[in-house]
Amino acid sequence: EVQLVQSGAEVKKPGESLKISCKGSGYSFATYWIAWVRQMPGRGLEWMGVIYPSDSDTRYSPSFQGQVTISADKSSSTAYLQWSSLKASDTAIYYCARRGGSAFYATFDYWGLGTLVTVSS
Amino acid sequence: EIVLTQSPGTLSLSPGERATLSCRASQSVSSTFLVWYQQRPHQAPRLLLYGTSSRAIGIPDRFSASGSGTDFTLIISRLEPEDFAVYYCQQYGSSTSWTFGQGTRVEMK
Repeated sequence: EVQLVQSGAEVKKPGESLKISCKGSGYSFATYWIAWVRQMPGRGLEWMGVIYPSDSDTRYSPSFQGQVTISADKSSSTAYLQWSSLKASDTAIYYCARRGGSAFYATFDYWGLGTLVTVSS
Repeated sequence: EIVLTQSPGTLSLSPGERATLSCRASQSVSSTFLVWYQQRPHQAPRLLLYGTSSRAIGIPDRFSASGSGTDFTLIISRLEPEDFAVYYCQQYGSSTSWTFGQGTRVEMK
């Protein structure tokens, strides 16, 4: 069974750094892209970027380029999303999702449950 | 960048009624790359349909979709209580990028 297990909720202050994780299981983690998707409170879904764990090829949405860093460790089947200096506007739920293979390559076919990040002074 | 505009913002319907949701793209989208997701309250999104009209595994046949070019439609033929949720269209674009519509909320009247 494909599963994406995300790290727990975080409460941080503005200016602090943060790294959240997404651990895949039940499939060949290295050979499927992993995406990160933001959902701000009461808002829609925003694609942030994707990474291919096999070679760490990473693509960012222009809206998030330079704002976050996506990485992956194929040895532990884990993808990461990190911030060097959080802002209050980073408060959101962050989902990781697997990009589908073959006929599903335009989709995100499996999703984690999300990590709530709250940034408040 | 292609912008997806969904309408209406909210659809108020009763169980058993038919729901028709629209997704309009600012430029032509390949039908292969148009996808729909469902997000129930306090849950992660779930893949609903891909390639414009193919249902994902486990999706009941009351969900159907069609469209081409810039206009795409999701239809729920008879709403069940579990169908009241937010629905997002999404397109996959060049340079390995994705865009979501802003969502349509289907609420119980």
